[in-house]
Amino acid sequence: DAKTTQPTSMDCAEGRAANLPCNHSTISGNEYVYWYRQIHSQGPQYIIHGLKNNETNEMASLIITEDRKSSTLILPHATLRDTAVYYCIVRVAGYTGNQFYFGTGTSLTVIP
Amino acid sequence: EADIYQTPRYLVIGTGKKITLECSQTMGHDKMYWYQQDPGMELHLIHYSYGVNSTEKGDLSSESTVSRIRTEHFPLTLESARPSHTSQYLCASSEVLGGKETQYFGPGTRLLVL
Repeated sequence: DAKTTQPTSMDCAEGRAANLPCNHSTISGNEYVYWYRQIHSQGPQYIIHGLKNNETNEMASLIITEDRKSSTLILPHATLRDTAVYYCIVRVAGYTGNQFYFGTGTSLTVIP
Repeated sequence: EADIYQTPRYLVIGTGKKITLECSQTMGHDKMYWYQQDPGMELHLIHYSYGVNSTEKGDLSSESTVSRIRTEHFPLTLESARPSHTSQYLCASSEVLGGKETQYFGPGTRLLVL
């Protein structure tokens, strides 16, 4: 599976949009982009995923560039509870040879 | 959303004791995983299973063992706990729908070996 590159940390003011970038320049055509987050001392939580089209759910929006080499997770109105480590993962669905690689993620701090 | 449970949530135990960390999921997922994570560090995959009677070692070498006798149950065992085993252990299961695979995590077990 392709590896991803994310900034180590970011700050965001409460109520503003948090835009978390992720580079995945070696992504292949059948790899999905997944975003998870991990709030301190809890298990990672699934946020959203996509293949080519932009996606939106109740938690966030996912913007994938046309060449699929990068993506941005958008939390439209960040709250203090969104402070967490955010992981961007690319993966072939159901492929048994490799598993999810979480990396170090981006530590997002939402500031009051 | 998957329901996945881990017990105990916290465990303090002495060196040399045998321990089993329990993980159960009620969604009928075939694939299950164990990760180890130290505070502020990456998740490291230590075991996974494709289904009943299937177990594989992950990327990080671990002295623990796992079993998968039933689909819903994936316990992890340490035969003789040591202080180096102190960590958080996270269990996950995954589903594949329409070509997309999503992992769901349990709350984790924090283990402290004295």
